[in-house]
Amino acid sequence: GENVEQHPSTLSVQEGDSAVIKCTYSDSASNYFPWYKQELGKGPQLIIDIRSNVGEKKDQRIAVTLNKTAKHFSLHITETQPEDSAVYFCAAIKAAGNKLTFGGGTRVLVKP
Amino acid sequence: GAVVSQHPSRVICKSGTSVKIECRSLDFQATTMFWYRQFPKQSLMLMATSNEGSKATYEQGVEKDKFLINHASLTLSTLTVTSAHPEDSSFYICSASGTGVTNYGYTFGSGTRLTVV
Repeated sequence: GENVEQHPSTLSVQEGDSAVIKCTYSDSASNYFPWYKQELGKGPQLIIDIRSNVGEKKDQRIAVTLNKTAKHFSLHITETQPEDSAVYFCAAIKAAGNKLTFGGGTRVLVKP
Repeated sequence: GAVVSQHPSRVICKSGTSVKIECRSLDFQATTMFWYRQFPKQSLMLMATSNEGSKATYEQGVEKDKFLINHASLTLSTLTVTSAHPEDSSFYICSASGTGVTNYGYTFGSGTRLTVV
């Protein structure tokens, strides 16, 4: 089955700096890669996603890149703000209706 | 956008009793529901997958007689923790996928914090 690894497990950045989280996946058939933000005591919220036919996607301060050959994808958060502090999960999936495989999560702390 | 409502958000129950958690898709038809369990500072662990009108498929190591899942309609799925024990205390989260959202849309509920005393 699919295996997704996520690094780092914790990340502390100064407000205004950039944060980068990296994930690798094992199944080359995976073709959809969402990123979720989970705040304490809440369910995960989708913040950005990318499909395998796209190399990069950006939404304001958030961007995701995908390297299919190397089977890794990354989340980039620029101009970090204290409200970006949360746990971020990457995930991979092969087809709609199938189960998501999650990475282990990254706890991001943005220091004011 | 797609919204999934999960209730209750918190529940405390006595050991040996059963607890039901509801997950509703408010503006789309949830053909597939996923139930997760999350321990503190850990990732989401998939417990089971259910398709509307079918029996749930449980992940290895998850007791189907203890965690009863019902997905009788396209908008409602329930997870019942039977004969709960303190080790069942955890954060339970549902997720729904289906028609009316983007092809790969997986929308999560807000989670239920279960504490068994």
